[in-house]
Amino acid sequence: EVQLLESGGGLVQPGGSLRLSCVVSGFTFRTNAMGWVRQAPGKGLEWVSFISGSGAATYYADSVKGRFTSTRDNPKNTLYLQMNSLRVEDTALYYCAKTKIPGSGAGGAFDMWGQGTLVTVSS
Amino acid sequence: SHVLTQPPSVSEAPGETARVTCGGNNIGTESVHWYQKKPGQAPVLVIYYDSDRPSGISDRFSGSKSGNTATLTISRVEAGDEADYYCQVWDSSSDQGVFGGGTKLTVL
Repeated sequence: EVQLLESGGGLVQPGGSLRLSCVVSGFTFRTNAMGWVRQAPGKGLEWVSFISGSGAATYYADSVKGRFTSTRDNPKNTLYLQMNSLRVEDTALYYCAKTKIPGSGAGGAFDMWGQGTLVTVSS
Repeated sequence: SHVLTQPPSVSEAPGETARVTCGGNNIGTESVHWYQKKPGQAPVLVIYYDSDRPSGISDRFSGSKSGNTATLTISRVEAGDEADYYCQVWDSSSDQGVFGGGTKLTVL
């Protein structure tokens, strides 16, 4: 059974940092690209980042570029999102998700999602 | 960056056919994925690469594309289909993923 479990969310002041983790099981992690998607309270889904299976390729939404960094530790089956210079508008539920087709590029669909971890940025 | 336009809401009676549209300038050249999102639950992929359906998804869900508009069609709508639906593409011009604003499907 495929499982994705996010952690690391919490309350942080504007300008602060957080590192989210996503531990996965049930599939060959290193062969699947992964992504982060967020949903602010009462808002729609927002694509945040993508990382290839090897970790060599990463892409980011304009809204987080230069502040967020996605990495992965394949032997540990873990995906990370380092979030720096956090803003009030980064407040959201953050989901990690796996691409459906191993080896698919950034245009692949996300077929499995975690339950999300809540990040609240507030003074 | 790329913008995907969805109607805020769609309503249909049980047993009818609901259609959710997703418009964008380059949709004709991009693969479109569709997700179902219910409150308190993680998103669920219902259609990928324009019209493919993941295993376990009802065949009442189908996807199509014409010109600059993609459409998610839900046949024989049921109360359990009530949810927000989002389209998503990869914008190769900006190297970013993009979601539409979402459409709330209400089953009357």
